Amino acid sequence: SAVISQKPSRDICQRGTSLTIQCQVDSQVTMMFWYRQQPGQSLTLIATANQGSEATYESGFVIDKFPISRPNLTFSTLTVSNMSPEDSSIYLCSVAPPGEKLFFGSGTQLSVL
Amino acid sequence: GNSVTQMEGPVTLSEEAFLTINCTYTATGYPSLFWYVQYPGEGLQLLLKATKADDKGSNKGFEATYRKETTSFHLEKGSVQVSDSAVYFCALRMGIQGAQKLVFGQGTRLTINP
Repeated sequence: SAVISQKPSRDICQRGTSLTIQCQVDSQVTMMFWYRQQPGQSLTLIATANQGSEATYESGFVIDKFPISRPNLTFSTLTVSNMSPEDSSIYLCSVAPPGEKLFFGSGTQLSVL
Repeated sequence: GNSVTQMEGPVTLSEEAFLTINCTYTATGYPSLFWYVQYPGEGLQLLLKATKADDKGSNKGFEATYRKETTSFHLEKGSVQVSDSAVYFCALRMGIQGAQKLVFGQGTRLTINP
């Protein structure tokens, strides 16, 4: 199993600023995933973060807007840069320990004014 | 591309009622199918899964059967409880084991009244 600590749990930010979301796992995992859930919509995969290499971004998401760090096998950050109200969403970290199912963090609820 | 379509919510039922949340999918191959649940204030949790056609996933009284002919994976429970109030997400996964990239439906909010 895996226990994920994600913070902050929520934040209210001004447009044009940036927010970094942290994801800490209690075990070493190769792959970590970042999802976004916009209001009333489904979860959408932003990127896959592998330790020691650049993150792989899904269509519609770019590194300049959502830079990701993965310094070790238990930690990752997602930054939402130059925020606008359209970035108001829930951002979720998830991990897949070897041979196990996906585990999700409790999410970061972001509101951009 | 691959996609998941869920029954629109919110859904409100009385305790002990029968529950069905519809889920259909579009996929180019043979996906694995999942139901996730998100209780208030908590993270997503895997509820059940099925990895091939005609498999039935079950957990906590919930069931879903992988129907290839109708490309469906409907979630059912015979008698719901107040504690089942949550948001339910249907999802599929393509690709090799370990890729673990999920495609989610839009979620269905379920409220059970006592």
